[in-house]
Amino acid sequence: AQSVAQPEDQVNVAEGNPLTVKCTYSVSGNPYLFWYVQYPNRGLQFLLKYITGDNLVKGSYGFEAEFNKSQTSFHLKKPSALVSDSALYFCAVRLRSSNTGKLIFGQGTTLQVKP
Amino acid sequence: DAGVIQSPRHEVTEMGQEVTLRCKPISGHNSLFWYRQTMMRGLELLIYFNNNVPIDDSGMPEDRFSAKMPNASFSTLKIQPSEPRDSAVYFCASSSPSRGRWTDTQYFGPGTRLTVL
Repeated sequence: AQSVAQPEDQVNVAEGNPLTVKCTYSVSGNPYLFWYVQYPNRGLQFLLKYITGDNLVKGSYGFEAEFNKSQTSFHLKKPSALVSDSALYFCAVRLRSSNTGKLIFGQGTTLQVKP
Repeated sequence: DAGVIQSPRHEVTEMGQEVTLRCKPISGHNSLFWYRQTMMRGLELLIYFNNNVPIDDSGMPEDRFSAKMPNASFSTLKIQPSEPRDSAVYFCASSSPSRGRWTDTQYFGPGTRLTVL
């Protein structure tokens, strides 16, 4: 069965420090990978996606993620965290072989950036 | 573009009442997804449509839930009768294939916060 795991329920980081939010996946083929962010009382917003090509993907608000096929991971990173980055982050995967747009989401990781 | 539009934004109702949530996808998008988010269960996919046709409704909790998409610009999620455990935030999302391949992003609406008393 296809699944996405975000092993940390919460990540705490001091402002200005680098941050990493982890994501691993288990699928029976090559995936498309996504990161979304949800601010309080808002819908999910797209951050970035990996489709093909360069394993390092750059997205909105200075975020980036690296696709690692051997480790089946797609960790989200940012060199210098801001307090405004505090939010709930979701990793998602879709199979290339799928003929629909269905995404499989992880359970989410709360990022808390403290001043 | 106005993005995905959902209404109402907040709904408070009493147990046993019928609830109808509405969604207008982004124009030109031909897939629509309904999600439910709770603290206990996280984000759950309830049902999704492709070209107005329900493709997978395996996430619909029970027969009290039903969804329709009568045309490309409108979908409803109905709960009848509602129960307190249905209290959650319900999101609608839409997407469209890029060059015939499903690489495009799902765009989410702001959600409907449902409270069943």
